[in-house]
Amino acid sequence: DAKTTQPNSMESNEEEPVHLPCNHSTISGTDYIHWYRQLPSQGPEYVIHGLTSNVNNRMASLAIAEDRKSSTLILHRATLRDAAVYYCILGYNQGGKLIFGQGTELSVKP
Amino acid sequence: DSGVTQTPKHLITATGQRVTLRCSPRSGDLSVYWYQQSLDQGLQFLIQYYNGEERAKGNILERFSAQQFPDLHSELNLSSLELGDSALYFCASSATRRTEAFFGQGTRLTVV
Repeated sequence: DAKTTQPNSMESNEEEPVHLPCNHSTISGTDYIHWYRQLPSQGPEYVIHGLTSNVNNRMASLAIAEDRKSSTLILHRATLRDAAVYYCILGYNQGGKLIFGQGTELSVKP
Repeated sequence: DSGVTQTPKHLITATGQRVTLRCSPRSGDLSVYWYQQSLDQGLQFLIQYYNGEERAKGNILERFSAQQFPDLHSELNLSSLELGDSALYFCASSATRRTEAFFGQGTRLTVV
């Protein structure tokens, strides 16, 4: 399984944008890039996913490097509710299982 | 609410015992995944079923087994329980193998 590398933790101020990086230099051509987050005491929650092009949804934006070896999850205006562990995952090439790494723990200051 | 239901929410049992965790996927979802989350190991993929058949296996111990029934609900059986099996167990479901997964709230297992 291709591996991802994320910073262990990041801090943000409320109502400011947050850029969460992820490196995946061994990504294969068919790997999608997925982001999930886990709020305290809850199960993981889908955020966004993409293959090659940048993607936007109501929760976030995903910027994918041209060589696909890195990506960035962008929260446009962080809220206190966005404090969570964010996981960058490569998957859905054969079988669909999600292999979680350690993720980035995002804290949001008021 | 993700639409994935796990029961029970909490379970306390003794070492050596056997327990069954149940998962009802979102309506129509064919794929079910089981994960274990402990403090020192993070989220570990255990096993995946798709429309009743096992599709992928992760770090699942031989003492653990799972199945997906014709109505698509799934059960995870844990036997000969050890203290180290204490963890949160999550079930997730997805419509196919290529769509986003929705996670339940988990079952917290405590082995004493």
